[in-house]
Amino acid sequence: QKEVEQNSGPLSVPEGAIASLNCTYSDRGSQSFFWYRQYSGKSPELIMSIYSNGDKEDGRFTAQLNKASQYVSLLIRDSQPSDSATYLCAVLMDMGRRALTFGSGTRLQVQP
Amino acid sequence: ETGVTQTPRHLVMGMTNKKSLKCEQHLGHNAMYWYKQSAKKPLELMFVYNFKEQTENNSVPSRFSPECPNSSHLFLHLHTLQPEDSALYLCASSQAASGGSYNEQFFGPGTRLTVL
Repeated sequence: QKEVEQNSGPLSVPEGAIASLNCTYSDRGSQSFFWYRQYSGKSPELIMSIYSNGDKEDGRFTAQLNKASQYVSLLIRDSQPSDSATYLCAVLMDMGRRALTFGSGTRLQVQP
Repeated sequence: ETGVTQTPRHLVMGMTNKKSLKCEQHLGHNAMYWYKQSAKKPLELMFVYNFKEQTENNSVPSRFSPECPNSSHLFLHLHTLQPEDSALYLCASSQAASGGSYNEQFFGPGTRLTVL
């Protein structure tokens, strides 16, 4: 069973701190990795994608990928209360299928 | 309209009813997806369509019947559902080609379905 694992949380951080969200995946051949943000009652919103080892930065968000360790993370700098949401890690494990495998998500709470 | 739209946004139906969910994407994509999101469970892929052809059925019960008349529209026909089918049903779209950013999937707002 190909899986994506995330800590369900909640992860609680104070406003202005760095939030670190982690995700591991089981399929070593996976090539594409995505982070989605989902507010309660809303649909997932794509915030970051990463395809090669290392860091990718976009504003306050940094995605980190380590394929050898089968690990992908999302850092949110200067966390704001509006960042409070569930963050879903998604992995494309089979290029032929084009279907994403999602983790259960980590709930982030940013305390004012 | 922009992005991915879904109608209706909320649906309550009895177990003997027949209803349909509609999805439309305005992104020029050629792949469309149906997902189910139940409380406290990961997003579950249901169906994948690529250039109007179904390429994946993730062991979905036959009471869910998808239809993709063209690359911009996707339907999910529902009949004789069970209460455990109550969930958020999400449509997504992406480029059809594989590799890199072509795999980025964009979601519609979802249909919140309640089966009584």
